[in-house]
Amino acid sequence: QQQVKQSPQSLIVQKGGISIINCAYENTAFDYFPWYQQFPGKGPALLIAIRPDVSEKKEGRFTISFNKSAKQFSLHIMDSQPGDSATYFCAALGGSNYKLTFGKGTLLTVNP
Amino acid sequence: KAGVTQTPRYLIKTRGQQVTLSCSPISGHRSVSWYQQTPGQGLQFLFEYFSETQRNKGNFPGRFSGRQFSNSRSEMNVSTLELGDSALYLCASSLEASYRNEQFFGPGTRLTVL
Repeated sequence: QQQVKQSPQSLIVQKGGISIINCAYENTAFDYFPWYQQFPGKGPALLIAIRPDVSEKKEGRFTISFNKSAKQFSLHIMDSQPGDSATYFCAALGGSNYKLTFGKGTLLTVNP
Repeated sequence: KAGVTQTPRYLIKTRGQQVTLSCSPISGHRSVSWYQQTPGQGLQFLFEYFSETQRNKGNFPGRFSGRQFSNSRSEMNVSTLELGDSALYLCASSLEASYRNEQFFGPGTRLTVL
C-alpha cells in the first residue's frame, strides 16, 4: 500500500518557469510533511516542510501548498533555475509512526 | 559541524555473502534511521535507533539488522545477500527521535550484489 503518491514522475521546465510537484496521502494521522531534494551522488536534503495547521508555507522560491480536506500537498518552485535540477521527494510522518514515508520521487530538469 | 558520514561509499559483494555498513551521525544527534533507496521502490524505511534501542522497524526480512553504539554510531548488517539487495543505503540522523525532528541524510553506501 503506497501511502504517499507523488506525481509527476518526471518534469521538464524552462528556466524561469514554475515547477509544480503534487503529493497525496492516505493516512489522516500524518501531521508533518517535508520535501526533500536529492542531487546525484548525494543523500536527500530537507528543502521545506509544513504542518497541517497552515495552508501554505514559503521559503524563498519554494512554496508548499497544503489541502487538509483533500489530503494533498504540493511543491511550487518559482523562477526555476538549472541548479534546481534534481530529484524531489515528498514525505509524510505522524501518529505513532516514527518513520518517514516517502513518495516515489520526481526528477526535475530545468533547461537553460 | 561535520555532516552524517557513511562508510564505505561503494561496496561490491556476491550473493550469499554478508555486509556491514557504518554510519556516524552528526555530533550530538542520538537518533539514527536507515533507508534503502532503489529505482523501483524509492526510499523505504529500514529501522531507527535511539539511545542504542531499536524504536521502529520497517517491512524488511530478518536478514536486515542493525545496532547502535553508546556514541550513537550505527551499523547495519545484511546477511545472505540477494541480487535484489543492490541499492543505495542511506543513514539519517536527528537530535532526538526522528518523529518531528529534522533528519539529516548521509551520502549513502552504494551496494552492488553480483
